Amino acid sequence: GAGVSQSPRYKVAKRGQDVALRCDPISGHVSLFWYQQALGQGPEFLTYFQNEAQLDKSGLPSDRFFAERPEGSVSTLKIQRTQQEDSAVYLCASSFETSSDLKNIQYFGAGTRLSVL
Amino acid sequence: DAKTTQPPSMDCAEGRAANLPCNHSTISGNEYVYWYRQIHSQGPQYIIHGLKNNETNEMASLIITEDRKSSTLILPHATLRDTAVYYCIVRAIKAAGNKLTFGGGTRVLVKP
Repeated sequence: GAGVSQSPRYKVAKRGQDVALRCDPISGHVSLFWYQQALGQGPEFLTYFQNEAQLDKSGLPSDRFFAERPEGSVSTLKIQRTQQEDSAVYLCASSFETSSDLKNIQYFGAGTRLSVL
Repeated sequence: DAKTTQPPSMDCAEGRAANLPCNHSTISGNEYVYWYRQIHSQGPQYIIHGLKNNETNEMASLIITEDRKSSTLILPHATLRDTAVYYCIVRAIKAAGNKLTFGGGTRVLVKP
């Protein structure tokens, strides 16, 4: 596809359930970011991949959050034992970001809205 | 990355220019000013960015003061579809891994 694709668009989970959120970045984009957006607030950084390497996971709020990008394209954000405070929109962004392209423009997907009951 | 300050909300009349201010008084010499917007139920969308010169593209113009401590995003002819939250972000450019640090943004409502 032409843009960043995320699935599912909506996810309802019972507290304690594990969830997996998928991100298909723009083809050829080296960098991939995950952000969390609580209602009424701006997105907050969770983690960053360069190809398959997870180079920054400083924003992950707890060890229940885990992200992977095993082949350097599709990424999955997994949340174990979901809690009500995990309810948010989870956004994925990708960027071409090489040393020869310093615009560093990130292109975002529409997000996955997670509701934990 | 330097912190930015934006008004929480503003209204604009359809067809008129919308001028969105942003203060970034602690900006460093290697930091750029980026603007993104987020329309309801969508992900953030890149608008424009600049270092110290004014910039213009098909979406907007960016005016950066000479001391670089503030900037203004100008939407020349606002339409109803420009209703969104607009984020001003200051960010250093490096080879990779530049996360975006969003503040609260400015909620812009374009009225007919």
